[in-house]
Amino acid sequence: AQTVTQSQPEMSVQEAETVTLSCTYDTSESDYYLFWYKQPPSRQMILVIRQEAYKQQNATENRFSVNFQKAAKSFSLKISDSQLGDAAMYFCAYRSENRDDKIIFGKGTRLHILP
Amino acid sequence: NAGVTQTPKFRILKIGQSMTLQCTQDMNHNYMYWYRQDPGMGLKLIYYSVGAGITDKGEVPNGYNVSRSTTEDFPLRLELAAPSQTSVYFCASSYHLGIGQPQHFGDGTRLSIL
Repeated sequence: AQTVTQSQPEMSVQEAETVTLSCTYDTSESDYYLFWYKQPPSRQMILVIRQEAYKQQNATENRFSVNFQKAAKSFSLKISDSQLGDAAMYFCAYRSENRDDKIIFGKGTRLHILP
Repeated sequence: NAGVTQTPKFRILKIGQSMTLQCTQDMNHNYMYWYRQDPGMGLKLIYYSVGAGITDKGEVPNGYNVSRSTTEDFPLRLELAAPSQTSVYFCASSYHLGIGQPQHFGDGTRLSIL
């Protein structure tokens, strides 16, 4: 069975600095998708970035980028120029290509931004 | 566009009571999902639907029922509320299976069973 592990329950970063959140996963599938979701105190789940496993190029969205290492089954999120509004829980998620019930979330990393 | 709308936002139930959590989306998405999020945990899939009239179990379906009579609506029913069902419930929708479409989430329903 697939698993998603986020080994950092909490992290802190100074405003304007860069922080990297870790995520590893385990799967025997070759085709899948990986996501990072942000959950601010409002509780709404907001998609930050996604990566298709068949793409070697790392996804980027403005200040957010990923380091996708397929062989190592690693999918870390880098936030550059951290802003106060980035403070939230961040969830790494795995989605199988062919089965909608295979959507697995990690336990999350709470990110604090220090002014 | 309202996106995914969940009602109510908060509810307290007594053990054994029943209730329905409502979810509606206006994006004409085929796929809809119900998750629960326990404190300090990620989301676990309860049920999902790939279209009107079609539903299937997720990882933690026991104690819940769903129906999908229209594309827009996907209510979740708790028949006999138990303390273990205290959680935050999220409804989500997405457009298509198999091409990695992200899911759009509602704001969640905080449910306490006392």
